[in-house]
Amino acid sequence: GQQLNQSPQSMFIQEGEDVSMNCTSSSIFNTWLWYKQEPGEGPVLLIALYKAGELTSNGRLTAQFGITRKDSFLNISASIPSDVGIYFCAGPPAGNMLTFGGGTRLMVKP
Amino acid sequence: NAGVTQTPKFQVLKTGQSMTLQCAQDMNHEYMSWYRQDPGMGLRLIHYSVGAGITDQGEVPNGYNVSRSTTEDFPLRLLSAAPSQTSVYFCASSRLLTYNEQFFGPGTRLTVL
Repeated sequence: GQQLNQSPQSMFIQEGEDVSMNCTSSSIFNTWLWYKQEPGEGPVLLIALYKAGELTSNGRLTAQFGITRKDSFLNISASIPSDVGIYFCAGPPAGNMLTFGGGTRLMVKP
Repeated sequence: NAGVTQTPKFQVLKTGQSMTLQCAQDMNHEYMSWYRQDPGMGLRLIHYSVGAGITDQGEVPNGYNVSRSTTEDFPLRLLSAAPSQTSVYFCASSRLLTYNEQFFGPGTRLTVL
């Protein structure tokens, strides 16, 4: 079954606001990834984290690999309308497989 | 490079029909995978392959078959479609050493009546 829990499930924010979302796991992960899916498209990798405590940025996006290795966080600063989409966390529970969280749907009001 | 391509874009089947979803990549990636996406469920891994001739089951393999005869292609077969297989299907590929960093195709929306 699904091992990653994302929250919140959805967010409706005003353009210019900062956004925070998180992902928790019942087991330790050695890698955390954040993907974004725009309507009608496949997911696209935003940020990959490989070390506990790691903080990585990609433009206005910043993600952190939790110290416990059971969680990760994604922040978006100064949101814009093109940030709309579903954000997924993902990680490898075992072997050569990738598990995805249920996603956080972000809606931005201009 | 076209990246990862999937055909068809949309498909409607009747219960019991069979069909093959096509996936191809031109990046010489060893790793290829199939996911299904259902509302609120995220993406769930169906099958994956680490190279030509090698396939393995993911989280939800029942009702689906795969084969990998070439590096480029990784078709997904539904032998007898069921309404529970109504979903959006995504194919993805990556280098084997960085299999976490997957490139996704545009998806196939399948409806089974």
